[in-house]
Amino acid sequence: AQSVTQPDIHITVSEGASLELRCNYSYGATPYLFWYVQSPGQGLQLLLKYFSGDTLVQGIKGFEAEFKRSQSSFNLRKPSVHWSDAAEYFCAVGARYSGGGADGLTFGKGTHLIIQP
Amino acid sequence: GAGVSQSPRYKVAKRGQDVALRCDPISGHVSLFWYQQALGQGPEFLTYFQNEAQLDKSGLPSDRFFAERPEGSVSTLKIQRTQQEDSAVYLCASSLGRGNDHTQYFGPGTRLTVL
Repeated sequence: AQSVTQPDIHITVSEGASLELRCNYSYGATPYLFWYVQSPGQGLQLLLKYFSGDTLVQGIKGFEAEFKRSQSSFNLRKPSVHWSDAAEYFCAVGARYSGGGADGLTFGKGTHLIIQP
Repeated sequence: GAGVSQSPRYKVAKRGQDVALRCDPISGHVSLFWYQQALGQGPEFLTYFQNEAQLDKSGLPSDRFFAERPEGSVSTLKIQRTQQEDSAVYLCASSLGRGNDHTQYFGPGTRLTVL
């Protein structure tokens, strides 16, 4: 079974500074990988995804993530954070089946991002 | 276009009551998923439908939880004889379920509080 580890429960970053949120996964093959963001009282909004191809993927709101197979990682980055980026961030992995299908996602416990003025 | 919608947004139930939570997926989406998100945790998978077929219900925590999608569109998650540990946000997601796009789009969730 797959698993996801987000080692940082909370991260505090100054507005305008760069950001990196860590995500490590455990899976026997190449999975589907996602980053979602959740604001208080809201559902999950997709930031970006990796299915195949280029290992550096671009997402919405200026976010990017890099899939590193050798490190089983899919870290999320942003060069300059804005106060509106304060939220909960979840990394998720989906199983990849030979028939091309997918199954329920396995989520990490999330990283709470705090932006200092 | 319209996203995934869920109703009600908030539900308060007394312990022992039955509840029904509704999910309207994005039109044309074949796959539908239910997740449970406890306070301060990531979502946990409950069950998965492809059209009207429930292909995976391995995440349902007990036989008090039941989900259906009789016509392959709207889905209902039913919890019988609710317990306090059932208090959580229940999220629904849908995806195209075809080709290579397995992106899941989430609804706003239903927050269930069991007193």
